[in-house]
Amino acid sequence: DAGIIQSPKHEVTEMGQTVTLRCEPIFGHNFLFWYRDTFVQGLELLSYFRSRSIIDNAGMPTERFSAERPDGSFSTLKIQPAEQGDSAVYVCASRSTPSGELFFGEGSRLTVL
Amino acid sequence: GNSVTQMEGPVTLSEEAFLTINCTYTATGYPSLFWYVQYPGEGLQLLLKATKADDKGSNKGFEATYRKETTSFHLEKGSVQVSDSAVYFCALRSMNRDDKIIFGKGTRLHILP
Repeated sequence: DAGIIQSPKHEVTEMGQTVTLRCEPIFGHNFLFWYRDTFVQGLELLSYFRSRSIIDNAGMPTERFSAERPDGSFSTLKIQPAEQGDSAVYVCASRSTPSGELFFGEGSRLTVL
Repeated sequence: GNSVTQMEGPVTLSEEAFLTINCTYTATGYPSLFWYVQYPGEGLQLLLKATKADDKGSNKGFEATYRKETTSFHLEKGSVQVSDSAVYFCALRSMNRDDKIIFGKGTRLHILP
């Protein structure tokens, strides 16, 4: 049973570039979450989906951030344009039901120079 | 809004010492409470949970009791091991319609042999 797959594991980019992070949740998990893990703030919820619909986007820090889940399976988190302060680990999580256990990916570490 | 506050780290202990990591929460209604652990190089995983007042969650020698009167869910272990070195996150899930999981900032634990 495959776990959550996030790619890339590491990305180093420059300010002004576009970053796209991808999450493949556990098969059959309807609920998908994007978190950002920083040293200062800890784990912050950015957005979450039920199937292909965004349920809550309030945690997205700026309009430079956007998330999609076009067919209700994989999701992408896009940062455009990237800034140095966006450097963090972006963690994807999923679960099958509203009260089910939440499973986490290993995260994508983003460094913006 | 809902929030979780946990003690800041890093916490450094010797092997076999007693561990307490404090966690308090603010929430409306009756949230479920969780401790998640992230071992080096791995994704977050559920350590234990409690879904109602006075419940005690336990796993791998760790325990936490849901205390509604003090809005706390402190993590304890009687005798820590080097393998317990990790980052520990306290979290809550509200029972509102949105059922988001909100995390504390995490506490890094170092156990010295």
